[in-house]
Order: sequence, then structure tokens, then C-alpha cells
Amino acid sequence: DTGVSQDPRHKITKRGQNVTFRCDPISEHNRLYWYRQTLGQGPEFLTYFQNEAQLEKSRLLSDRFSAERPKGSFSTLEIQRTEQGDSAMYLCASSLGGQVFNEQYFGPGTRLTVT
Amino acid sequence: GNSVTQMEGPVTLSEEAFLTINCTYTATGYPSLFWYVQYPGEGLQLLLKATKADDKGSNKGFEATYRKETTSFHLEKGSVQVSDSAVYFCALSRSGANNLFFGTGTRLTVIP
Repeated sequence: DTGVSQDPRHKITKRGQNVTFRCDPISEHNRLYWYRQTLGQGPEFLTYFQNEAQLEKSRLLSDRFSAERPKGSFSTLEIQRTEQGDSAMYLCASSLGGQVFNEQYFGPGTRLTVT
Repeated sequence: GNSVTQMEGPVTLSEEAFLTINCTYTATGYPSLFWYVQYPGEGLQLLLKATKADDKGSNKGFEATYRKETTSFHLEKGSVQVSDSAVYFCALSRSGANNLFFGTGTRLTVIP
């Protein structure tokens, strides 16, 4: 078990460009989550997958954001036409379905800076 | 709605001091409650959890008790160490829901 991994760890992009982040969950976990964390705040939920199905999306997830988990393993989060307000840490987490208390394991995050 | 309110930081303590970080919540139903910790340069780690009223979560000398009557889940440690310096997040998960609601975090610095 190598934990949740995310790639890249840091991304600097210019406003208007598209970016894509990858998350590899713990191998036996069927649930995967994306969160966004801005400076001085706690993580905010963006979206959730169970296997390959995207079952929940937050209102924070604008039309410029899209997430996929095509084979129920790794996931990608794409942001199109980035804006300076998208600058944040993007966190991925995974968990094992069927738990009572939904213990989520977090990756190290991808820090996005939009200039 | 669902929300978590944490005491604002930063908190600076001397080694071996007693720690309390206050956390109160608003939620429908019967949420599960968590404390996560983020050490410098690392990802969020689950520190402890409690799934029903009066449960006490504990780990690494930290404790928190799920108090339904006061809607609180305060984090305590009797004697902090320099290695406890980190940001601590209180969080809740509603019954039947899949996402976590986090507080804003409290930065703790322990000085020798």
C-alpha cells in the first residue's frame, strides 16, 4: 500500500490555459474524492466517484472543471481556461466503500498557481 | 446546513503544555466527526474519529469526545511535543453522505 499519490505536485500556468491533474488512489479503494483548499481554509468538496461513476458534484465545480475516472482506478481533474481564482491546492482522497464512518485517505495535493 | 467551526489560530505552546482546540458543528442527522492533521509538507492524515454521541476518539495522546448536547468535538492533549506542530482540521461526515465538511484549520506551534 503506497498511499494516495498525485501528479504533478506543483503546477504554474498562465491564465486561460488548460491544466490536468492526476490522482492514483489506494489500490483496493473504490471511492475517490476531489477537494480544493485555498490558503487559510479547510478543504472544500468538489466531486466524488464510486468506481467509474461520478455520483456527486459540488456547486463549486463550475463548467470549466471536469473529472473522470475511466476504469475505476486513477482519476483526472481538468480545468479549462484557468482563472486566477483557481489558484489553490487540489486534494484527492480515497476510501473503501461500505464503511460506517467514511474514513478518507488523502494524497499530498497538487498546488496550482495561475499567473 | 452542515458546517464546522474551529477556534482560530495560530496557537503557540511550550513543550509539555496542555492543548485544547475547540470545534463545534452544525449538521442534520447524526454525523461522524473527525480530526485530521497536516504536518509541514505532508498530506492530511486522519488523527482520530468518533461515530456516535459520547464516543471518545483517541490516538497519539490526543483525545476528543463527541458531545451531542453541545454539538462539540474539542481536541485535547495533556502534554504536547515539538513534533505535534502542525495544522489541525476538524471535520464531519453526514450520515449517508460521502463528502467531508472541514473547519478552517488551527495551526499549532510547539516551542521547546
